[in-house]
Amino acid sequence: SQQGEEDPQALSIQEGENATMNCSYKTSINNLQWYRQNSGRGLVHLILIRSNEREKHSGRLRVTLDTSKKSSSLLITASRAADTPSYFCATGRMDSSYKLIFGSGTRLLVRP
Amino acid sequence: GAGVSQSPSNKVTEKGKDVELRCDPISGHTALYWYRQRLGQGLEFLIYFQGNSAPDKSGLPSDRFSAERTGESVSTLTIQRTQQEDSAVYLCASSLREWAETQYFGPGTRLLVL
Repeated sequence: SQQGEEDPQALSIQEGENATMNCSYKTSINNLQWYRQNSGRGLVHLILIRSNEREKHSGRLRVTLDTSKKSSSLLITASRAADTPSYFCATGRMDSSYKLIFGSGTRLLVRP
Repeated sequence: GAGVSQSPSNKVTEKGKDVELRCDPISGHTALYWYRQRLGQGLEFLIYFQGNSAPDKSGLPSDRFSAERTGESVSTLTIQRTQQEDSAVYLCASSLREWAETQYFGPGTRLLVL
């Protein structure tokens, strides 16, 4: 079963605007990660935030984590057409398998 | 260095046939994961390998699914007597150690069962 739920499921913005995606999860976690997926195939790791962190930046990406609300947000500033693919959040726990539990994803469309 | 590779890229098979999907992890990565992604959905965990053993097989959907890993490198996911609901993209990921937080994903195998 999936841990996370992203919203919105789909987001359409103009090039240059900021895009914000949210992720909620259900159980305790060690970290939360955001991945990008191009054309429904391989995933690219974007950024990881640990449970004891509240905010993290990487280039045009900003991630926040609120463990009390079990939610995270991903902000992409100054969006570009190449940002168009799908984005997934995944939660990691230091349990027996360290597997990632993925949300259902947000499909981003950046209009030129 | 080289990333995670998977083969074949695409596989079309008839219902009832067996299929084998292959994953070559990044050299030196001891942890290996298989996930499945149905159309328009997120990834579902299938199985985790640490070295050649599989401590967590909890995601395998039925006994038609099995996986093995040899030599702490290549892994094969086998689906016997395929069904149409098995159609999905099967993704493999590896990480340096079992506690490593970042998993590196391969391009996936798109399986279509007719």
